[in-house]
Amino acid sequence: QSALTQPASVSGSPGQSITISCTGTSRDVGSYKLVSWYQQHPGKAPKLMIYEDTKRPSGVSNRFSGSKSGNTASLTISGLQAEDEADYHCCSYAGSITLLFGGGTKLTVL
Amino acid sequence: QLQLQESGPGLVKASETLSLTCTVSGGSISSSTYYWGWIRQPPGKGLEWIGSLFYSGSSYYNPSLKSRVTTSVDTSNNQFSLRLSSVTAADTAWYYCARHLSGTYSGDLYMGHYFDYWGRGTLVTVSS
Repeated sequence: QSALTQPASVSGSPGQSITISCTGTSRDVGSYKLVSWYQQHPGKAPKLMIYEDTKRPSGVSNRFSGSKSGNTASLTISGLQAEDEADYHCCSYAGSITLLFGGGTKLTVL
Repeated sequence: QLQLQESGPGLVKASETLSLTCTVSGGSISSSTYYWGWIRQPPGKGLEWIGSLFYSGSSYYNPSLKSRVTTSVDTSNNQFSLRLSSVTAADTAWYYCARHLSGTYSGDLYMGHYFDYWGRGTLVTVSS
C-alpha cells in the first residue's frame, strides 16, 4: 500500500475557490465511496470535514464540498476565508479494514 | 460530547517499546458502531493510520507496521491502548487516538470508515 497523492501546497485569495486533489488507485479511492477529508490547523488535532466522498458533518460550512472521479477525489473550498488556511488530509478505505492517508496539502490564503 | 485523551511517556529509547493509552469519556467504548483507532504524524509530515480495534478485541493494522504493533481494549475503564515495539527515530511523531466509524452496508452501498472524534495528540520522541 502506498500513500495517496496530494499536492504539497495550494493557494488562493479570499473569496476565490480552490480544489485539492487526492489520487489513489482502483484498489482504494476508485473502489469505494469512502474518502474522507480532514482539516488541521497548526498544533491542533485533525477535524473531519467530508466523509463518504461527498457528505458533510453537521456544523461544517457548506463552502466545503467533496467529489470524486475514477481514482481521484477532490476537496473544493469556495469563498475562501482566512480561517481556511490549514493543512488538509485525505483518507481512503483500502479494503480488509485498512485505511490510507495522503501526504497532506498546505492551503495558504493570500 | 465525546472526548478522547492520549496518555503515556513522551520519551522512549530506541529499540524499546512505545506504550500509549487513550481514555474515552462522554460515551461508551463498547459499541458495535465504532472501532477505535490510532493515527500518527511525524513532525511536519502527513498522517499515517496505525491500526483500529473493536471493543471485542478484534484488531486491524497498517501492513507496514503490523509486525511491531499490538492494540488492546479495557472496557471496564473505557480505554484502549497501543504498543509499538523496537522503535527507532522514524517512530518519533504525534500520536492521536480517534473514533473510527465501522463499515456497514446500506443496500449495496458500503459506508463508514472515517474518524469523527480525535484526541489532542501526544508527542512521542525516540531517543538514541
